[in-house]
Amino acid sequence: KQEVTQIPAALSVPEGENLVLNCSFTDSAIYNLQWFRQDPGKGLTSLLLIQSSQREQTSGRLNASLDKSSGRSTLYIAASQPGDSATYLCAVRSNDYKLSFGAGTTVTVRA
Amino acid sequence: ETGVTQTPRHLVMGMTNKKSLKCEQHLGHNAMYWYKQSAKKPLELMFVYSLEERVENNSVPSRFSPECPNSSHLFLHLHTLQPEDSALYLCASSQDLGTINQPQHFGDGTRLSIL
Repeated sequence: KQEVTQIPAALSVPEGENLVLNCSFTDSAIYNLQWFRQDPGKGLTSLLLIQSSQREQTSGRLNASLDKSSGRSTLYIAASQPGDSATYLCAVRSNDYKLSFGAGTTVTVRA
Repeated sequence: ETGVTQTPRHLVMGMTNKKSLKCEQHLGHNAMYWYKQSAKKPLELMFVYSLEERVENNSVPSRFSPECPNSSHLFLHLHTLQPEDSALYLCASSQDLGTINQPQHFGDGTRLSIL
């Protein structure tokens, strides 16, 4: 069974600092890995999807890397802003249609 | 409207009540999902439908009963729930089950509180 872990559970940084969020998974046989953002009381918004054949994906200030062999992904958010405050979830698709989620990292960016 | 819409946004019910959660997607997708999100825990997949047929029941207690009358609508009927069922219930959709690198699109969820 795929296990997904996100460390740390919470993170607080001053505005302008770069954010580094970690995700690890136990089974390296994956199809893809997806990063989501969740605002309080809201659903999940897809940020980036990295296919198993890719090493990284970029969108604006966001960059996600994938090291499938070591079972790790990292989400980098450059020059953080208070609007980046949210919970960030990673999810791994290992087989068929199921996603295995981590418990998330809650980020607070202080103005 | 676009995306995935869930109603109601909040629901408070007693353990003996019967209520239903509704999900509607306007994306033309063929697959729909119910997830449960409890505080500080990973999302748990509950049910999966593909072309209105249930393809997954992830050991969910029978007090939760899903219904998918067409590919745009998904319901979760609730009956005789327990306090531990209090959680955020999220609906998602995707183009279909077989396309690997298509993301799932989520609604904003229904916050359910059991008294």
